[in-house]
Amino acid sequence: GENVEQHPSTLSVQEGDSAVIKCTYSDSASNYFPWYKQELGKGPQLIIDIRSNVGEKKDQRIAVTLNKTAKHFSLHITETQPEDSAVYFCAPRTPRDSNYQLIWGAGTKLIIKP
Amino acid sequence: NAGVTQTPKFQVLKTGQSMTLQCAQDMNHEYMSWYRQDPGMGLRLIHYSVGAGITDQGEVPNGYNVSRSTTEDFPLRLLSAAPSQTSVYFCASSYSLLAKARTGELFFGEGSRLTVL
Repeated sequence: GENVEQHPSTLSVQEGDSAVIKCTYSDSASNYFPWYKQELGKGPQLIIDIRSNVGEKKDQRIAVTLNKTAKHFSLHITETQPEDSAVYFCAPRTPRDSNYQLIWGAGTKLIIKP
Repeated sequence: NAGVTQTPKFQVLKTGQSMTLQCAQDMNHEYMSWYRQDPGMGLRLIHYSVGAGITDQGEVPNGYNVSRSTTEDFPLRLLSAAPSQTSVYFCASSYSLLAKARTGELFFGEGSRLTVL
């Protein structure tokens, strides 16, 4: 089955600096690559996603890059702000029986230092 | 438009008790699912449903039952609670089958924190 790893598990950056979180997956049949943000006491929320036929996607300060050959994709946050402090999850979509499922990484806690 | 609503937000049970976590969505989503979240382990899928009358097991189904009698509701039942079921439970829904959707965005409820003593 799919094995998903996120690195680092905790990331602390100075406000205004950039943050990068990497997600490695094992199933080459994975075809959709989202990132979710979970704020304290809330459910995860989709912040950006990319499909397998695209290498990079940007939305204002956040971007996702995909390397299908190496089987990893990364979340990039530029000009970090205090409200970026949260736990971030990758969840590549992989075939499972006759359906697809999202397989979740363990999460990365991002801390923005003022 | 309330999105995904979960009740209760907090619950304490004794070992062996049963209870139902409620989940309702008002977005006419076909796909609904239950996850549990434990520290350092991300989200693990318990059960899911691709439409009314259809349910299937996820990664960690033991000790839990579900039913889907309507499009809107997807309750999760704990038959005989055990301390290992202490966790935060999330219900999530999606517009269509993940296999067919061009995007697979899941909409989550705010979670139900369950403690089993």
